[in-house]
Amino acid sequence: GAVVSQHPSRVICKSGTSVKIECRSLDFQATTMFWYRQFPKQSLMLMATSNEGSKATYEQGVEKDKFLINHASLTLSTLTVTSAHPEDSSFYICSARRSSYEQYFGPGTRLTVT
Amino acid sequence: GQQLNQSPQSMFIQEGEDVSMNCTSSSIFNTWLWYKQDPGEGPVLLIALYKAGELTSNGRLTAQFGITRKDSFLNISASIPSDVGIYFCAGQDSGNTPLVFGKGTRLSVIA
Repeated sequence: GAVVSQHPSRVICKSGTSVKIECRSLDFQATTMFWYRQFPKQSLMLMATSNEGSKATYEQGVEKDKFLINHASLTLSTLTVTSAHPEDSSFYICSARRSSYEQYFGPGTRLTVT
Repeated sequence: GQQLNQSPQSMFIQEGEDVSMNCTSSSIFNTWLWYKQDPGEGPVLLIALYKAGELTSNGRLTAQFGITRKDSFLNISASIPSDVGIYFCAGQDSGNTPLVFGKGTRLSVIA
């Protein structure tokens, strides 16, 4: 149990376009999901906390209008990178909280903006 | 903000050797978690610790939650090539707060 999927696994887009990344908890319900960004050889950087049925909470320095998060159901959260630029190229990872203290990660999405 | 100091940053060991890595914090955490990340993949939960002093094993892995609640260590016994990867510690205040991650320990195993 505790499987989290992400789609797509890789995406290449042109500068100025928008990209949507989906995060699904496959075998449990998650009232809270998290979105992280990871640069090469670095740790995970929390971008935002996504709560089902309410607005996401963004970390300091993360633009909410650029990184749109929607948590429409207990098993799905989406991250949309709007008007993407090359500096947005990164590895985006979501996680879902199954219980108060257990958090499971998706396999990640590699975004490349050309 | 809270920070975790994870050490060592990287390790090169011979297959069969034991490995030890640790995390320390400037503040108390109520939960410690250890994850492993393979290249191009998301982190996978290895061990979760919920009580100060708790010692938990998962196969060849053993982790302990420090008595002071400000530290944790992870041991891997008899390392094998598939142990290669980056190991992250993470601490959590309470069930409603996000995880705080260490910077990771990159493990390389020489066959």
